[in-house]
Amino acid sequence: LAKTTQPISMDSYEGQEVNITCSHNNIATNDYITWYQQFPSQGPRFIIQGYKTKVTNEVASLFIPADRKSSTLSLPRVSLSDTAVYYCLVGGRLSGSGNTGKLIFGQGTTLQVKP
Amino acid sequence: NAGVTQTPKFRVLKTGQSMTLLCAQDMNHEYMYWYRQDPGMGLRLIHYSVGEGTTAKGEVPDGYNVSRLKKQNFLLGLESAAPSQTSVYFCASSLGSASGNTIYFGEGSWLTVV
Repeated sequence: LAKTTQPISMDSYEGQEVNITCSHNNIATNDYITWYQQFPSQGPRFIIQGYKTKVTNEVASLFIPADRKSSTLSLPRVSLSDTAVYYCLVGGRLSGSGNTGKLIFGQGTTLQVKP
Repeated sequence: NAGVTQTPKFRVLKTGQSMTLLCAQDMNHEYMYWYRQDPGMGLRLIHYSVGEGTTAKGEVPDGYNVSRLKKQNFLLGLESAAPSQTSVYFCASSLGSASGNTIYFGEGSWLTVV
């Protein structure tokens, strides 16, 4: 299982671009990288997912270098409502014999957006 | 679009009591998960299931039991509640565990053991 490492917390100001990097040195060939956002008192929700290079959707961009040992979630022009905990998740691939589905979250990054 | 529904949302238990948390999903997902989240902490996997009739241990399975008798339901049981089990419990589901699948979470169940 690929272990992930993220900064515990980050601060930003409204209108700035925020980049959160996740390290996953032992990512497996078939693993995707998925980011989730969690607001207080709510369950996490999917933000973006990728395998390599760059993925962009209406909410964020995900940059993955060629070696895939890290990934960076980019939030353009953050607002106060982007204050949340962001989780990077790697793994869950089919291994062929049991022990699939063991999706382990890291500590997450608490992003605080200030006015 | 109900998605993942957890019941109850709030519960207070006395030490030693037992209870069951129910998770239901209407997306025909194969995989289901139970996580707990302590204040200011990340999510920790308790148990998971890769299909009807199957269960497996996660990171912190001690003190909990689970059952997946029906594909759409995943039950989490506490046989003898302890104050250390005071937490928020999140159920989640996904199509499968193959790479690329998205996990859908419920809204959480707040459990206090006194």
